[in-house]
Amino acid sequence: DSGVTQTPKHLITATGQRVTLRCSPRSGDLSVYWYQQSLDQGLQFLIHYYNGEERAKGNILERFSAQQFPDLHSELNLSSLELGDSALYFCASSKMGGRASTEAFFGQGTRLTVV
Amino acid sequence: DAKTTQPPSMDCAEGRAANLPCNHSTISGNEYVYWYRQIHSQGPQYIIHGLKNNETNEMASLIITEDRKSSTLILPHATLRDTAVYYCIVNSGNTPLVFGKGTRLSVIA
Repeated sequence: DSGVTQTPKHLITATGQRVTLRCSPRSGDLSVYWYQQSLDQGLQFLIHYYNGEERAKGNILERFSAQQFPDLHSELNLSSLELGDSALYFCASSKMGGRASTEAFFGQGTRLTVV
Repeated sequence: DAKTTQPPSMDCAEGRAANLPCNHSTISGNEYVYWYRQIHSQGPQYIIHGLKNNETNEMASLIITEDRKSSTLILPHATLRDTAVYYCIVNSGNTPLVFGKGTRLSVIA
């Protein structure tokens, strides 16, 4: 158990709909990262939040957005869903400190299926 | 962050040591070498990381060459449960991890 909790584990929805994925980081971790992994594809970095502020954006579509709340949990919102958005979505957390290296811990993911 | 090169796949006999190589010839002085693995659609799992010294923990050993241009992850006694995709990532610790294609390790009974 990494200590990172993602809900729901599975989600099936129709095209055009909107869903929200939730992530609770490990206790004390200030950074939350979101990744997307499509079938047989690599892990694609989407977005990074640190202590409530957006720090970095990767290959995140405009239809997708995220936020990190004061209690440090994060939500990834996916709207106008398309079949191609079907994927595993992972959240990771880390302490992310200055010059020190910090490992990231990943949740077990949310499997999104768009039909 | 520096780019890494890993073989796409490797086999290892159960009980033997698995040695997974990684080239990172453009690594900068402040960049660490991280290793993660992903077991069949589970969340990636942190294994080990190092800067320039060799490192060992309960999961694995990390050997980094003196010029830091390559490294080897060693699983001392591979089991079937070590079958996974292993990712070598070079990162300064202040930016998000970028995953490549990794090495698919198959441990064979």
